[in-house]
Amino acid sequence: DAGITQSPRHKVTETGTPVTLRCHQTENHRYMYWYRQDPGHGLRLIHYSYGVKDTDKGEVSDGYSVSRSKTEDFLLTLESATSSQTSVYFCAISDVRSGLTGELFFGEGSRLTVL
Amino acid sequence: KNEVEQSPQNLTAQEGEFITINCSYSVGISALHWLQQHPGGGIVSLFMLSSGKKKHGRLIATINIQEKHSSLHITASHPRDSAVYICAVPRADGLTFGKGTHLIIQP
Repeated sequence: DAGITQSPRHKVTETGTPVTLRCHQTENHRYMYWYRQDPGHGLRLIHYSYGVKDTDKGEVSDGYSVSRSKTEDFLLTLESATSSQTSVYFCAISDVRSGLTGELFFGEGSRLTVL
Repeated sequence: KNEVEQSPQNLTAQEGEFITINCSYSVGISALHWLQQHPGGGIVSLFMLSSGKKKHGRLIATINIQEKHSSLHITASHPRDSAVYICAVPRADGLTFGKGTHLIIQP
């Protein structure tokens, strides 16, 4: 199994509070992604990173920010959580862009509930 | 219209049946991914294919690039195959995912 861990795995928080989810990998893969998964939707890309300090927005980036100061860590921050951000968040890593020719590895997911 | 459409959305079958899950996409691609997600669990990659067919155990994936269609087959299905199966196609900033097919195999 690929070495990718997410923390926390479960979190309940209140509207308006900041939340940070962490994705840690031991594979030295260049590309890292944050997705959210909601009923009735496929996985949707929030932000991605193509290297240390190199990040870009995905299709549902509003209300989220990311940082990648080290190859192994990719942080997702909700500056002021809202109920619409209640979701399951998945981190993924790949050694090539977009998983075009390489396998995509996923973390176990982080379930966030915003009350 | 979603770029990736899967059918059926839900499928319940008896143990031992041959299962087919379909994926159609609207964009030109160089490869397609099939993923599996067990209830409450993480997501694992089953196949990445760009042409023809791939086989792993009882799972077979096929793709027709010209017709923009892929299928995932499960032979001799077993209750442990119960999961959500997701197809995904590459885009410039990651993957676009189908909504998944929820498969239940009853003993």
